[in-house]
Amino acid sequence: SQQGEEDPQALSIQEGENATMNCSYKTSINNLQWYRQNSGRGLVHLILIRSNEREKHSGRLRVTLDTSKKSSSLLITASRAADTASYFCATDTGRRALTFGSGTRLQVQP
Amino acid sequence: EAEVAQSPRYKITEKSQAVAFWCDPISGHATLYWYRQILGQGPELLVQFQDESVVDDSQLPKDRFSAERLKGVDSTLKIQPAELGDSAMYLCASSLAGDRGDEQYFGPGTRLTVT
Repeated sequence: SQQGEEDPQALSIQEGENATMNCSYKTSINNLQWYRQNSGRGLVHLILIRSNEREKHSGRLRVTLDTSKKSSSLLITASRAADTASYFCATDTGRRALTFGSGTRLQVQP
Repeated sequence: EAEVAQSPRYKITEKSQAVAFWCDPISGHATLYWYRQILGQGPELLVQFQDESVVDDSQLPKDRFSAERLKGVDSTLKIQPAELGDSAMYLCASSLAGDRGDEQYFGPGTRLTVT
């Protein structure tokens, strides 16, 4: 079973716009990670936020975490066509390996 | 830059046949994971190794799936016999120690089609 659920399932924007994806999860976590997957390829780690952190930045990425609402968001600013991919949140509950959500498919139109 | 290697990249097999996938993790990574990803969904863990030992195989269908990491380096995942429902992407990942907050590095995956 999957711990996290991403919203929206699919998102289409124009180059230069910002993209926001949300992730909700069910149980307490140690940390939450975001991964990107280009079509038919493996996943690439983007950013990790720990349960005691509220916001984290990495380049054009901004991640927030609200443990009271059991939710996280990933913001990609000034999107590029190369950002077209699926984005997954993954939760580390300390019990076993990461549990991934179902993903958001982002399409950035040039 | 070090990468996780997987082979083959694509595999087509008939149901009831045996199939095997190979993974070579990043050198020095003690923890190795096998995930299965059905089209349109996120990866789901099949088995996790710490060195040569299995630490979690609770989601591995043991009647037909087996995995080994004999020398604590590379790993093989086998399916026998394959069923139509096994069609999916099989992803291997590795991490330094498997501790909390450990980033996982993924290989390119093996796309399995069972006909």
